[in-house]
Amino acid sequence: QLQLQESGPGLVKPSETLSLTCTVSGGSISSRSYYWGWIRQPPGKGLEWIGSIFYSGSTYYNPSLKSRVTISVDTSKNQFSLRLNAMTAADTAVYYCARHLGLWLTTLHYWGQGTLVTVSS
Amino acid sequence: QSALTQPASVSGSPGQSITISCTGTSRDIGGYNYVSWYQQYPGKAPKLMLYEVTYRPSGVSDRFSGSKSGNTASLTISGLQPEDEADYYCNSYTSSSSWVFGGGTKLTVL
Repeated sequence: QLQLQESGPGLVKPSETLSLTCTVSGGSISSRSYYWGWIRQPPGKGLEWIGSIFYSGSTYYNPSLKSRVTISVDTSKNQFSLRLNAMTAADTAVYYCARHLGLWLTTLHYWGQGTLVTVSS
Repeated sequence: QSALTQPASVSGSPGQSITISCTGTSRDIGGYNYVSWYQQYPGKAPKLMLYEVTYRPSGVSDRFSGSKSGNTASLTISGLQPEDEADYYCNSYTSSSSWVFGGGTKLTVL
């Protein structure tokens, strides 16, 4: 059974860089059949897609976040990661990792439980 | 990119049918059949209910159905049940090679 688990700091200071990791179990991130993505949800608000990556390193990013986001993959650890720089209070959110239903033109299917990241000094 | 437009809330009584709309543009919903719907309970991760407008993942009740006309997609829940009370989000692929969500709709089962 596929499981995704987000990990990282729950508190980040303004202007700093957020680093989150998603560990995949019950499946291989090296599969040539799936993209893997990050999504966030500010408290009480809607969902926002951040970006997605293929095992080869091919990435797509939300145009509104592209200048601040880097998503990478570590196939040896069966993990993929998110870096978001220049954090502000507006980046406070629950961050989810997820697996697409298939390749790029498929929606997000399996989701992790999410991790709350608060931006505060 | 702008979020897709959903009503903030809808309600219905058990056994009834309700429809949630999701309006976008020709650059997203109107241009592609890559529209999906998610159900989210408070404090939980979203669950995929429909993808590519009308397809249900394994295990999703056939009470959930989807459609699309022009720039608007719709989710219909028939035979409303108390456990259907949740937030629902639509999602679409866009011409910017990205994915965009709707603002979410809170469904109340009266």
